[in-house]
Amino acid sequence: TQLLEQSPQFLSIQEGENLTVYCNSSSVFSSLQWYRQEPGEGPVLLVTVVTGGEVKKLKRLTFQFGDARKDSSLHITAAQPGDTGLYLCAGRLMEYGNKLVFGAGTILRVKS
Amino acid sequence: EPEVTQTPSHQVTQMGQEVILRCVPISNHLYFYWYRQILGQKVEFLVSFYNNEISEKSEIFDDQFSVERPDGSNFTLKIRSTKLEDSAMYFCASSERDLNTGELFFGEGSRLTVL
Repeated sequence: TQLLEQSPQFLSIQEGENLTVYCNSSSVFSSLQWYRQEPGEGPVLLVTVVTGGEVKKLKRLTFQFGDARKDSSLHITAAQPGDTGLYLCAGRLMEYGNKLVFGAGTILRVKS
Repeated sequence: EPEVTQTPSHQVTQMGQEVILRCVPISNHLYFYWYRQILGQKVEFLVSFYNNEISEKSEIFDDQFSVERPDGSNFTLKIRSTKLEDSAMYFCASSERDLNTGELFFGEGSRLTVL
């Protein structure tokens, strides 16, 4: 059983389209982070959310943390080819101590 | 901008050999981590280290693995006798505070290939 589920696994869209990526768990997150990873490189932190219902914006990226802190979404507006990459959510699950648990990631491909 | 640096970027080794992967965390960070990512799979937690001792480790981090902070700057991961299944990208990360409030910064990774 996956502690943290991400969907979709793969997304291929045209430049200019909007998209949403989801991250879900049956357990409560004490905090959750979104990362972007390029091939052969380490994950790069995009945002950290801590408070239920929190919404954070980073240019065309909007991150939302569910009220119950069991889910999160990443919405990209007007996607560009430069947004192509692997998007990872990672959370500290209250039941599982200090370790950061990663989702399997969503591979995003934006075609021009 | 401060960053986590890792060496080597790629190491090829024979099965059964010892490997040491090195990391220089960001200088004012206090918490250090190793993660690994097998090709095509998710990033997996190995171990966290704080105040010169392991604070948490996963089931992957068995007796073949050890970590050390030999001086004020380096943080190393040693694999005593490598197995084929140890082939992966190993990421070091550091944070200024614990993960309740701190943010994790990753290095670019060390690719380990075990033949």
